[in-house]
Amino acid sequence: GENVEQHPSTLSVQEGDSAVIKCTYSDSASNYFPWYKQELGKRPQLIIDIRSNVGEKKDQRIAVTLNKTAKHFSLHITETQPEDSAVYFCARGPGGFKTIFGAGTRLFVKA
Amino acid sequence: DGGITQSPKYLFRKEGQNVTLSCEQNLNHDAMYWYRQDPGQGLRLIYYSQIVNDFQKGDIAEGYSVSREKKESFPLTVTSAQKNPTAFYLCASSIGVGQGGETQYFGPGTRLLVL
Repeated sequence: GENVEQHPSTLSVQEGDSAVIKCTYSDSASNYFPWYKQELGKRPQLIIDIRSNVGEKKDQRIAVTLNKTAKHFSLHITETQPEDSAVYFCARGPGGFKTIFGAGTRLFVKA
Repeated sequence: DGGITQSPKYLFRKEGQNVTLSCEQNLNHDAMYWYRQDPGQGLRLIYYSQIVNDFQKGDIAEGYSVSREKKESFPLTVTSAQKNPTAFYLCASSIGVGQGGETQYFGPGTRLLVL
């Protein structure tokens, strides 16, 4: 169907460790995959996105990988810091009104 | 996303009352959206508008209404028919809905509480 499955729902890591969040989808027409970070009581903010013609994209400590064959994409955060603690949402497009969001992963980074 | 504003930050609704949430953007974006977020949950689409004077229902439109008379404004009315309106309401906009313009940018949100 249209849904995006996101795992885990909660993730706790020690400061300096890596965190990985995975999302799976079933619509093979999907070609746009953004990730959003939402701090408590704040707006979701785009942190990285990837399109279907690319397998991996990196921005400093954040990377996203896409496996189109298996229909899953993952967010990787390296050298985690306490300020990385937030809820992370994956999403998949074509985009616009058809952007479907995952249920979110609450990340705790312990100092 | 600094170009999208929502007001008020907090809104209290009495039983049987209609309330309107404001969303304004100065990004010259064609498309605008309203989402509802319940505690610990994801984002659910209420309404969206791809262009001025046009809007479509999302997944949970019942009890809500919108208008899009100006490109920069997309107000949401929570009517008395919405029996469980307590939630965090997020407005978003994007350049369009086609490839390259579909990234959505969110406003700061309005928290609606029922008295």
